[in-house]
Amino acid sequence: GESVGLHLPTLSVQEGDNSIINCAYSNSASDYFIWYKQESGKGPQFIIDIRSNMDKRQGQRVTVLLNKTVKHLSLQIAATQPGDSAVYFCAGASGYSTLTFGKGTMLLVSP
Amino acid sequence: NAGVTQTPKFQVLKTGQSMTLQCAQDMNHEYMSWYRQDPGMGLRLIHYSVGAGITDQGEVPNGYNVSRSTTEDFPLRLLSAAPSQTSVYFCASSSMGGAQETQYFGPGTRLLVL
Repeated sequence: GESVGLHLPTLSVQEGDNSIINCAYSNSASDYFIWYKQESGKGPQFIIDIRSNMDKRQGQRVTVLLNKTVKHLSLQIAATQPGDSAVYFCAGASGYSTLTFGKGTMLLVSP
Repeated sequence: NAGVTQTPKFQVLKTGQSMTLQCAQDMNHEYMSWYRQDPGMGLRLIHYSVGAGITDQGEVPNGYNVSRSTTEDFPLRLLSAAPSQTSVYFCASSSMGGAQETQYFGPGTRLLVL
């Protein structure tokens, strides 16, 4: 089966810094990856996704990088703001049916 | 659109009781799923459905039943609640791409089993 995990459980940054959250996956057949943000007491919210035929995808202040060689993806948040404080999950899918989530990284942004 | 709605928001059960967690979406999505989230862990898939009348098991299906009689609704049933089922439950939906598309999540149901 597939497992998707994160390297760091908590990341603390200063407001204005760039944040990088990392994620490793084990299933080389995974072809779709997605990052979610979860604020306290709420359901996960979509941030950005990437398919395996891409190495990089950019959104508003966020960039996802995919390295298929080492089965690693990262989420970069530019100019991190206090409102970015949340738990971030990566997830991956190798088919239509199921999405496998990592355990999450808590991002703490200090003013 | 209301998106994905879940009821109730909170529930306390005694061991052995049964209950149904409701989930509904108004986006005409084919794919719906149920996850549970435990402290310090990611979301784990319980059951999913790729369309009305079709359901399948996820990673942690034991103790839970589902049905999908309409496109809009995907209830999760606990037949005989156990303390190990204390968790936060999230329902999600997506359109034709299933797990390969953005999942839209509901606000969650917090369940405590005593």
